[in-house]
Amino acid sequence: GAGVSQSPSNKVTEKGKDVELRCDPISGHTALYWYRQSLGQGLEFLIYFQGNSAPDKSGLPSDRFSAERTGGSVSTLTIQRTQQEDSAVYLCASSLRSSVETQYFGPGTRLLVL
Amino acid sequence: GNSVTQMEGPVTLSEEAFLTINCTYTATGYPSLFWYVQYPGEGLQLLLKATKADDKGSNKGFEATYRKETTSFHLEKGSVQVSDSAVYFCALTVLQGAQKLVFGQGTRLTINP
Repeated sequence: GAGVSQSPSNKVTEKGKDVELRCDPISGHTALYWYRQSLGQGLEFLIYFQGNSAPDKSGLPSDRFSAERTGGSVSTLTIQRTQQEDSAVYLCASSLRSSVETQYFGPGTRLLVL
Repeated sequence: GNSVTQMEGPVTLSEEAFLTINCTYTATGYPSLFWYVQYPGEGLQLLLKATKADDKGSNKGFEATYRKETTSFHLEKGSVQVSDSAVYFCALTVLQGAQKLVFGQGTRLTINP
């Protein structure tokens, strides 16, 4: 079956612009996660969605970052007024119900802020 | 808080050598432990996992045993292949509190023929 898909695969933007990153989880997976992979910080958790519950936003680095998940499926991560330090690979993952189950990762969106 | 410390890389070995990548953790609560692997040009994928003390996870010839007494989850393989060249991440998660994977810094492994 289809895995987690993300788009775009690459994004180059100018400092100060807004960007939207999209994630399509595996069908039937109720848990969805966003992570960021950067050279200086390794792999960091950003946000977690579980079904219709309020998301866990504890990993978002600033209020420029936000995410939503529509209809319990597709998720969009939005970065407003991008900064150069936002350059990273943004990874989306989904799991059946909770984080103790296997998380399946998408290929990531490589973001470069000039 | 929860954290994972991995053996620093990069690690370079010859084909058929024995591999150990050390991983230790600190956690509040009872964690589940994972090894994820990222092959060149590919996404992160689960290699193996263990959910309780003394469990051994295994896959593709790799093994790791959940050692609660030493808070460790070292990755081992008896005979590595060139195709094992990748970046390996140790990770944990706990059911209580934030539902997230906490990753180690990753270890880049290169196997030479």
